[in-house]
Amino acid sequence: SQQGEEDPQALSIQEGENATMNCSYKTSINNLQWYRQNSGRGLVHLILIRSNEREKHSGRLRVTLDTSKKSSSLLITASRAADTASYFCATAGGGATNKLIFGTGTLLAVQP
Amino acid sequence: DTAVSQTPKYLVTQMGNDKSIKCEQNLGHDTMYWYKQDSKKFLKIMFSYNNKELIINETVPNRFSPKSPDKAHLNLHINSLELGDSAVYFCASSLWGEDTQYFGPGTRLTVL
Repeated sequence: SQQGEEDPQALSIQEGENATMNCSYKTSINNLQWYRQNSGRGLVHLILIRSNEREKHSGRLRVTLDTSKKSSSLLITASRAADTASYFCATAGGGATNKLIFGTGTLLAVQP
Repeated sequence: DTAVSQTPKYLVTQMGNDKSIKCEQNLGHDTMYWYKQDSKKFLKIMFSYNNKELIINETVPNRFSPKSPDKAHLNLHINSLELGDSAVYFCASSLWGEDTQYFGPGTRLTVL
């Protein structure tokens, strides 16, 4: 399967704590993206990191990428109840198709 | 001012029926996609169109036929619906060559 793997599958934390999710993928990539999906809603793009970057920040989000290990992590600092959602990584291999391959997702629950 | 919209939001139908899902984007994008998300939340690309031309067809059964009347619309017609077609179908759009995709709210299809 081309599907990337994410772990943990589910994560429950208290408000104010940090949440870390990991993503592993199988093929070489052009970039890796993280998306959030609230229950019953569509996916929302959070952040994109290119294959020549090792770390990127956006607000309370920090993404790292290790292409030698084919893995990425998403850190959400000072979590809020509104961060409760499923988080997916998606890899883009470049080329002529704009194709994204999604990971299996991490369900994050932030308890108030 | 919804960016990517889909209709209907919910679709419940009997096995063997034919149904359509519509998607429209007002972002000025030239590339549109259909994804299927199964009950385990696996999200997989089905089709992609660029400027009304089919770019990606991920070995989807012939019963699924996308139609793109113009760059802003990509509809999905499904013939002879089967139980296994039950899923949430997401439409997305992007600019060709840019990897960030913008998703619609999804259509939950239930085949009885």
